Amino acid sequence: ETGVTQSPTHLIKTRGQQVTLRCSSQSGHNTVSWYQQALGQGPQFIFQYYREEENGRGNFPPRFSGLQFPNYSSELNVNALELDDSALYLCASSSGTGLGYEQYFGPGTRLTVT
Amino acid sequence: DQQVKQNSPSLSVQEGRISILNCDYTNSMFDYFLWYKKYPAEGPTFLISISSIKDKNEDGRFTVFLNKSAKHLSLHIVPSQPGDSAVYFCAASAREYGNKLVFGAGTILRVKS
Repeated sequence: ETGVTQSPTHLIKTRGQQVTLRCSSQSGHNTVSWYQQALGQGPQFIFQYYREEENGRGNFPPRFSGLQFPNYSSELNVNALELDDSALYLCASSSGTGLGYEQYFGPGTRLTVT
Repeated sequence: DQQVKQNSPSLSVQEGRISILNCDYTNSMFDYFLWYKKYPAEGPTFLISISSIKDKNEDGRFTVFLNKSAKHLSLHIVPSQPGDSAVYFCAASAREYGNKLVFGAGTILRVKS
């Protein structure tokens, strides 16, 4: 059984640019959640996708957007990058959205905005 | 506004002794709490959880205690092992939030041999 994978591992972008991060969910999982972990902080919920539909969003501006594909993999897109977007971006997959459905995290993508 | 707080950035413990990691929360709606462990260059991995209808949950060397009136939970690791050295995150959710989690800032645990 393949775990959650994310690509790329590291990324350096310039302020104002756009970035796309990718996540492959664990086999059998239909839900993907994205989190942003800034340095010295815990992961902060960005949004969740369930069966290709957005299922909840945290306190992030609209320039953070996402997609989920029929195979349940997912993308996180960030437009007009700002210096504060520098962080570790984690995706987590689960087999449902309800309380108690365990989330399995990928290793993350480290984004640096200069 | 931090709804989940881990006030100790780091903790150092001797191998074989007890490690106690603490977490406080402010949102009364939270009714499910989890602990995750994170090694460098890896994603967080689930460790143990507790529902608000319980005050204790045990899994091997790991026990989580919940004090709802104080809005406080703690993770006890007994005995601590060098392999337990990692960052520990406390997380919370509520039935209406599903499995969308609110995390604390984490505590770095170092177990010395």
